Formats: sequence, structure tokens, C-alpha cells
Amino acid sequence: AQKITQTQPGMFVQEKEAVTLDCTYDTSDPSYGLFWYKQPSSGEMIFLIYQGSYDQQNATEGRYSLNFQKARKSANLVISASQLGDSAMYFCAYYNFNKFYFGSGTKLNVKP
Amino acid sequence: DSGVTQTPKHLITATGQRVTLRCSPRSGDLSVYWYQQSLDQGLQFLIQYYNGEERAKGNILERFSAQQFPDLHSELNLSSLELGDSALYFCASSVAGGVVNEQFFGPGTRLTVL
Repeated sequence: AQKITQTQPGMFVQEKEAVTLDCTYDTSDPSYGLFWYKQPSSGEMIFLIYQGSYDQQNATEGRYSLNFQKARKSANLVISASQLGDSAMYFCAYYNFNKFYFGSGTKLNVKP
Repeated sequence: DSGVTQTPKHLITATGQRVTLRCSPRSGDLSVYWYQQSLDQGLQFLIQYYNGEERAKGNILERFSAQQFPDLHSELNLSSLELGDSALYFCASSVAGGVVNEQFFGPGTRLTVL
């Protein structure tokens, strides 16, 4: 079953502006994790940020923050002060019972 | 550099053949995960091992198998290869096997089946 949805195939953002990448998931489980990864054109996968379903506060890692709205089942990634190096594919993933389910990704282009 | 290594980087083979992909996790990580990334299927979780034991199975075909050895490196075996198996295969590792809050990927092995 499809558990994770990224509805934005591609996005543009101006350098130094903030951008939000959407991610929604479908679950009835109370305990799960949500991950975001970055995949530059070079192909490697880079772990960015994690949010646990029981975490009371939104996760933050440097310029990355996760806007977690549990009731809406959304886990949007916010990148502040975009940089040219942020241009990449971004994947959201849902984790439960030792399995990962990935969204289809959002291609972010940062314009100078 | 994530600390996760994968060999080989590229692999070109023919249909019907068998290949082995190798992964060494970060020092101290007990869990290894395998993923397949293809244009039509996207990123798919294949299988997880924790400290030598299989922990979870995802969309792994019966033609594929994996194992994790006592030194914690892992191998993914792909047999009776088909054109559709051409993909980028990632290995990832994490410290824990149950509660996972971070995961580090290797550079991937690009498999081309001709």
C-alpha cells in the first residue's frame, strides 16, 4: 500500500529564500518515524533529519526543520536560506516495523 | 563521506547472470539495509539485517538474497538477472535495529544488465 506521498515533482526557489517540501503519509500505527533525505545529481543519498511520532517538538538540524503535523499526517521539510548547493532531489520516508517506505521525491532547483 | 562503503561502484553484466554486491557499514553500526533505486520503481526498501540476523523484508524478489556476516559486512546476491534489475543499489547502516533515528547511505552500486 502507498504509505508516503510527495505531491511536488519539482520546485524552484530563489537563493536565500525559504522553501517547504511537502510530505504526507497514511498510517494507523501510533509509533513510526519520518525521515528526509537529499540526493544530489552525483547520486549519493544524504540523511537530513528525523522525526519520531511521539516527539513533542519539531525536529531541526541546522537550516533544515521538519514541520510535523500528526493529526494531518504531514511531515513537511523546511529549508531556510536556500543555497545553490541545495539543488537536489529530496525524498521523504516513513519507517515502521523495521521497514522504510519512500515517496517519489521532489526535485528542488535553487535559482541564483 | 558517510563511512559506509560499497563495492563495486559499477557492474555490467548479462541477463541470466548472478552478481554479488558488497557493503561495509559504518564502524559501530549493527544494522544494514539494502535498497533498489530505479526509474520506474523509485526507491524501494529490500531487506534489513541486524547483527547478523534478518530483521525485515521489503520488496525483495525471490531471485535476490542477502546476508550479514559476523564482521557485520553484508552482501546482496542477485541471480537470474533480468533487464529490469538494472538499477542503483544502495546499502545503508544505522546503530540500532529497532528504534532508528538516523541512517547513513553508501555511494551505491550501479548495476547494468544487458
